[in-house]
Amino acid sequence: NAGVTQTPKFQVLKTGQSMTLQCAQDMNHEYMSWYRQDPGMGLRLIHYSVGAGITDQGEVPNGYNVSRSTTEDFPLRLLSAAPSQTSVYFCASSYSYPSDEQYFGPGTRLTVT
Amino acid sequence: AQTVTQSQPEMSVQEAETVTLSCTYDTSESNYYLFWYKQPPSRQMILVIRQEAYKQQNATENRFSVNFQKAAKSFSLKISDSQLGDTAMYFCGMNTGNQFYFGTGTSLTVIP
Repeated sequence: NAGVTQTPKFQVLKTGQSMTLQCAQDMNHEYMSWYRQDPGMGLRLIHYSVGAGITDQGEVPNGYNVSRSTTEDFPLRLLSAAPSQTSVYFCASSYSYPSDEQYFGPGTRLTVT
Repeated sequence: AQTVTQSQPEMSVQEAETVTLSCTYDTSESNYYLFWYKQPPSRQMILVIRQEAYKQQNATENRFSVNFQKAAKSFSLKISDSQLGDTAMYFCGMNTGNQFYFGTGTSLTVIP
């Protein structure tokens, strides 16, 4: 099993550009989530999904969109990048619920100039 | 509001000694779960230990154990026989419903 994979590992965007961060898992997990990690702030939940076709907002959803068309994939879209979105982004998955152990991807470091 | 607070930004411990990391939380939910995750310099997040709030017995995993005080909303992590590989950022986390909340982390350095 590859576990949770994220691409790209690093990305630099200009303000106003859009992009998609990819996340995939091969463990047949139902619950998937996106976090951002900022210095001194810990990890904050952006969006999550409890299964294919079902998504919902976390603590900091503004400026981000998600979709879940398959169990395996959970992409995160930045519609119009802003410097405030400079962060490290982590995707995670767990078997059924977030109360199960969450498996994290390696992260994507995004810089918006 | 659900919050998780870690009041110790940095800590250090001598190799083979014991260290305790503090965490307090606030929730109005009756059903929740508590976690400690470790993030070494590789940036990979790794589960250390998990506690179900309705269980009174404190969770243990080898050298790692928790002191769960439900009334005080406290969930501290004790690391015994500290090893150099324990050097990492440690995050306390709480799950309620479908949401997950992390604290701001404690950076632990194990000194040889």
